[in-house]
Amino acid sequence: DQQVKQNSPSLSVQEGRISILNCDYTNSMFDYFLWYKKYPAEGPTFLISISSIKDKNEDGRFTVFLNKSAKHLSLHIVPSQPGDSAVYFCAGGTSGSRLTFGEGTQLTVNP
Amino acid sequence: DGGITQSPKYLFRKEGQNVTLSCEQNLNHDAMYWYRQDPGQGLRLIYYSQIVNDFQKGDIAEGYSVSREKKESFPLTVTSAQKNPTAFYLCASRGTGEAFFGQGTRLTVV
Repeated sequence: DQQVKQNSPSLSVQEGRISILNCDYTNSMFDYFLWYKKYPAEGPTFLISISSIKDKNEDGRFTVFLNKSAKHLSLHIVPSQPGDSAVYFCAGGTSGSRLTFGEGTQLTVNP
Repeated sequence: DGGITQSPKYLFRKEGQNVTLSCEQNLNHDAMYWYRQDPGQGLRLIYYSQIVNDFQKGDIAEGYSVSREKKESFPLTVTSAQKNPTAFYLCASRGTGEAFFGQGTRLTVV
């Protein structure tokens, strides 16, 4: 049972444009969602999170949107930079419990 | 510096041998996790522990074992029963917010 799904394995955008990464979840008990960025052979690094009581959270160039009725969240990166090229994972869970991760989306930002 | 440390970074094992991966954290987190990543795949949960002396199986626990004798430490043993152990292993710890990951251990069976 894939409780968190990222349906796009890859995304390619031009430098300076917006990157939109999508994630869907099925577990209605999830009340906390996170995005991580990962480079090859390294551990994931935390980017941004959102609680289910909010529908938007912003941190610099990164904004996460949560649509609870659709069980969908997205990560917007504006403007995209070549250094943003990495694999992005979304994760869902409840406070203090296990996190369930999606399969990841490889973002490539072209100069 | 506070953080989570995995060792070694690279590990080679002969078929039929058990091997233990180390994970230590000084973040004072109660929960610790082990994930496995295979090429082109996401992070799959092997085992997790929410408190000292207690742990639960994740989604792919077969062939693995763990212990949680100290809050700071959560070692993972890959046993000879694990059919396909070559992978990148990630340890994480968590308080109430985000999880923090170590740098990973690349295990190769030769």
